[in-house]
Amino acid sequence: AQSVTQLDSQVPVFEEAPVELRCNYSSSVSVYLFWYVQYPNQGLQLLLKYLSGSTLVESINGFEAEFNKSQTSFHLRKPSVHISDTAEYFCAVQNSGYSTLTFGKGTMLLVSP
Amino acid sequence: NAGVTQTPKFQVLKTGQSMTLQCAQDMNHNSMYWYRQDPGMGLRLIYYSASEGTTDKGEVPNGYNVSRLNKREFSLRLESAAPSQTSVYFCASTLRGGNYEQYFGPGTRLTVT
Repeated sequence: AQSVTQLDSQVPVFEEAPVELRCNYSSSVSVYLFWYVQYPNQGLQLLLKYLSGSTLVESINGFEAEFNKSQTSFHLRKPSVHISDTAEYFCAVQNSGYSTLTFGKGTMLLVSP
Repeated sequence: NAGVTQTPKFQVLKTGQSMTLQCAQDMNHNSMYWYRQDPGMGLRLIYYSASEGTTDKGEVPNGYNVSRLNKREFSLRLESAAPSQTSVYFCASTLRGGNYEQYFGPGTRLTVT
């Protein structure tokens, strides 16, 4: 069975500061990895994903994540956050060949001026 | 193109009442999913349908039933609601049961008193 651990339930940060949201997973097979974002009172939206190839993946709004197979991690980073990045972020893993996602418990990113 | 739609947006039930949550997608997706979201628990899979005509249990299926009415629609039924089913319910769909992005609906906030 696969599992996802998001080590921080809440991360407060000042605007324009860098941020890292941590995600570790466990799985016995090859995986696909995802970060989803949930803005208040909305559904989840895909932020970025790793399927294969380059281990560094980027989103259109400046986030990036790096797949580290040896450390079974997929941490999300942004060099300079904005107030509008305030949201809850979910890491998710899918075993290749399966159709279901397993989500972490989420990390609330709180950006203040 | 409305994406994934859910009805109702809000619902209050008394213990023991029944109701059906409706979900529809207009993206010609094959797979559909029902999740519940509770504070500090992330998203947990209730049931899913990998393709029209099939349904499977997820992590937390007890107390729920589903129907894949056709390719577009996937409903979730609570036969006898309990306070433990107070949650936000999300429907999602994906083009196929492999490594494609899941698209989420806006959610249904259910309170059982």
